[in-house]
Amino acid sequence: EPEVTQTPSHQVTQMGQEVILRCVPISNHLYFYWYRQILGQKVEFLVSFYNNEISEKSEIFDDQFSVERPDGSNFTLKIRSTKLEDSAMYFCASGQGRGGETQYFGPGTRLLVL
Amino acid sequence: EDQVTQSPEALRLQEGESSSLNCSYTVSGLRGLFWYRQDPGKGPEFLFTLYSAGEEKEKERLKATLTKKESFLHITAPKPEDSATYLCAVQAPTSGTYKYIFGTGTRLKVLA
Repeated sequence: EPEVTQTPSHQVTQMGQEVILRCVPISNHLYFYWYRQILGQKVEFLVSFYNNEISEKSEIFDDQFSVERPDGSNFTLKIRSTKLEDSAMYFCASGQGRGGETQYFGPGTRLLVL
Repeated sequence: EDQVTQSPEALRLQEGESSSLNCSYTVSGLRGLFWYRQDPGKGPEFLFTLYSAGEEKEKERLKATLTKKESFLHITAPKPEDSATYLCAVQAPTSGTYKYIFGTGTRLKVLA
């Protein structure tokens, strides 16, 4: 069964450093998403991406964040200058349709900012 | 303010003891309500999407229902492998686009 994959599984970085989180969505999916989950808190929507552009984003997704689909398979989330409060589990998801359709989540990248 | 509230926060059941999880929502317009299962250290796993009041979906021991204010996830004769956190999320319109709002989840433990 096809699945969403994410790398790395864990990332430790120093405050102020840039990080890039990588995702390989399911191959025939057209919609891509990033979510985050701070330890012990709810899952929070960050951004959705379709047709090589951002279609929706939350208040959390400020200028420090960017997304890119650099080739036909990868979908990346970049955090330009990490803050302590960026420490969280970041989930990538992909889907065939917009929102109402099934979203398949990856296993997540646990980011720790020191 | 748009919000999603799940109850109870945690639930312990004996194997075979049926129960229901609640997700109440306050949004300006509902495009869809989603139920997910999340195991520790893993990403949410999609279970159901509900679009309109009165709609019901079933999958094995799980049944999701939707009213205009809340959704229930009914678990019939649960087994230990049903132990997980169950998440509810809604998609609602905002400023010409859509936003996704998750609840904090219900941690379910089913004892053998």
